[in-house]
Amino acid sequence: SQTIHQWPATLVQPVGSPLSLECTVEGTSNPNLYWYRQAAGRGLQLLFYSVGIGQISSEVPQNLSASRPQDRQFILSSKKLLLSDSGFYLCAWSKGRTYNEQFFGPGTRLTVL
Amino acid sequence: KNQVEQSPQSLIILEGKNCTLQCNYTVSPFSNLRWYKQDTGRGPVSLTIMTFSENTKSNGRYTATLDADTKQSSLHITASQLSDSASYICVVTPSGGYNKLIFGAGTRLAVHP
Repeated sequence: SQTIHQWPATLVQPVGSPLSLECTVEGTSNPNLYWYRQAAGRGLQLLFYSVGIGQISSEVPQNLSASRPQDRQFILSSKKLLLSDSGFYLCAWSKGRTYNEQFFGPGTRLTVL
Repeated sequence: KNQVEQSPQSLIILEGKNCTLQCNYTVSPFSNLRWYKQDTGRGPVSLTIMTFSENTKSNGRYTATLDADTKQSSLHITASQLSDSASYICVVTPSGGYNKLIFGAGTRLAVHP
């Protein structure tokens, strides 16, 4: 069966510090991978998606970046965090086209102080 | 503009009671509509999925309905349990094979004993 992992589960970082969130998927190959941010009282916002190694599409201009160094690894990074980067970050995967179900990871709660 | 609006924003019910959550969307054409359940601090988990040609779909005590003419969907929860306390998110997939889903902001349901 497929599983998706995210770490860390929670993170408290000072403004201006770097960020690295990791997501890995097990039990499938060539998944589509997604990074979302969820703000309180708002819908999930798609940040990045990837259809293959090294292929990253950015949806929202921001100081975040994503990379996919391996087929089942997706990393969300920042060189300098802003207060507005605080939120709940979710990684998801799907098989094939978008009408296939997206499976979400457990999420990372990021607080920037 | 493609949008998904959910109501109510929050809801409190007593254990054992039924409730209905609403979802209105402007996404057209669309491929499918899903309802997700998201426990606090966790990733969303899919409850039901309906294509544009389906009117209803059940998953245990959860029943989703879809009216493609009025662009409305509802999620009915029967004989609520304390474990039903969560956010319920309506998600619409536009047609066209693009990877973006359109998320509603969710309804936060609290079931009290």
